[in-house]
Amino acid sequence: SQQGEEDPQALSIQEGENATMNCSYKTSINNLQWYRQNSGRGLVHLILIRSNEREKHSGRLRVTLDTSKKSSSLLITASRAADTASYFCATVPDTGRRALTFGSGTRLQVQP
Amino acid sequence: DGGITQSPKYLFRKEGQNVTLSCEQNLNHDAMYWYRQDPGQGLRLIYYSQIVNDFQKGDIAEGYSVSREKKESFPLTVTSAQKNPTAFYLCASSLLLAGGGETQYFGPGTRLLVL
Repeated sequence: SQQGEEDPQALSIQEGENATMNCSYKTSINNLQWYRQNSGRGLVHLILIRSNEREKHSGRLRVTLDTSKKSSSLLITASRAADTASYFCATVPDTGRRALTFGSGTRLQVQP
Repeated sequence: DGGITQSPKYLFRKEGQNVTLSCEQNLNHDAMYWYRQDPGQGLRLIYYSQIVNDFQKGDIAEGYSVSREKKESFPLTVTSAQKNPTAFYLCASSLLLAGGGETQYFGPGTRLLVL
């Protein structure tokens, strides 16, 4: 079963603009991760945020986590055409199960 | 050159046929996973294994089987009982860290099509 929803399902922006994607989940988590998928390819890990963290940065990426609202956001600053991809949030529950539960993803198109 | 490989890239299945998807990793990871992705959707967990000779069902295990005879290998068999097997199959592996927080590394995927 899908863990939750991502919003928006699709996003189209111009190069240089910021892109924000949101993710909601249903259960208590150990951590939340964001992955990127280029069309027809495997997934690439972007960033991990633990349940006791509220914000994390990595290069042009900024992730926030609000465990009280069971939600997270991914911000990509100064987007580039090469950022065009699908972005997925995935959660690891605090039950000890290590496998990821994915959201439905946001398809980002960055126009040059 | 370390990584996780999947083969074949494309696989065609005839009615009533079992097919096996290969997944190999040389990252010395303890855990391996199989996910299914349908068009425009996120990934759903089929099976996972945290140690050799042991594996657990995921959320959509019906019609699939796996084995973990070697640490490096985690093949997935799509049986004839899986009535709608057309999908993109992704294998992943990870370490197992105390307290969790592992990153999963994904293979390039196998696209399974039914003839």
